[in-house]
Amino acid sequence: ETQLTQSPSTLSASVGDSVTITCRASQSVGDYLAWYQQKPGKAPKLLIYRSSTLETGVPSRFSGSGSGTEFTLTISSLQPDDLATYYCQQYKSRTFGQGTKVEI
Amino acid sequence: QVQLMQSGAEVKKPGSSVKVSCKASGGTFSTYAISWVRQAPGQGLEWLGGIIPVFGTANYAQKVRDGVTITADASTSTVYMELSSLRSEDTAIYYCARDKLEYSLSSFFDFWGQGTLVTVSS
Repeated sequence: ETQLTQSPSTLSASVGDSVTITCRASQSVGDYLAWYQQKPGKAPKLLIYRSSTLETGVPSRFSGSGSGTEFTLTISSLQPDDLATYYCQQYKSRTFGQGTKVEI
Repeated sequence: QVQLMQSGAEVKKPGSSVKVSCKASGGTFSTYAISWVRQAPGQGLEWLGGIIPVFGTANYAQKVRDGVTITADASTSTVYMELSSLRSEDTAIYYCARDKLEYSLSSFFDFWGQGTLVTVSS
């Protein structure tokens, strides 16, 4: 089973900061990687798929990159609404990272 | 707009079973996979398995124990997940989620249900 490791586990930043979350896979997943945002008490929301494709309606301050075993999610100008936990998911065999909590 | 509406919270005794439903509306039902994803309290997400209703056969995660059964009823656009021999470790929020790609059980999830809390306690 392909393991996904996210770093950091928790991230504290200020409004307007650029923040980056890393997701490392234990073996190559090509570009079969998605990112989700989960706010407290809510279901996850798809942000990015195929490593870098922005889901319709997602603000352009979110971007993704990477391939193979290393991927990043960047929020270019952090907003108060971005307070959430972010998960990566590889969909070759469907496992999730452990999550990164973003604190404002 | 696709909507997935799940059944309500359940409290169950250890050793019993629970069946959670996920009713889809607003889109094509039979050709898009519906999966179940578990989130234990304060923990991350775990894919349990999914089903493409038109094919009728469920696919399960390797780590998922026996006792998880996923079925679909195309006549009511509803997918079910049954958990048997419940243990305290099964206490979690269970989400249903739809694959974005048609005819695929290997993609990502664009629509999610609201979640169903299953509590296993004596």
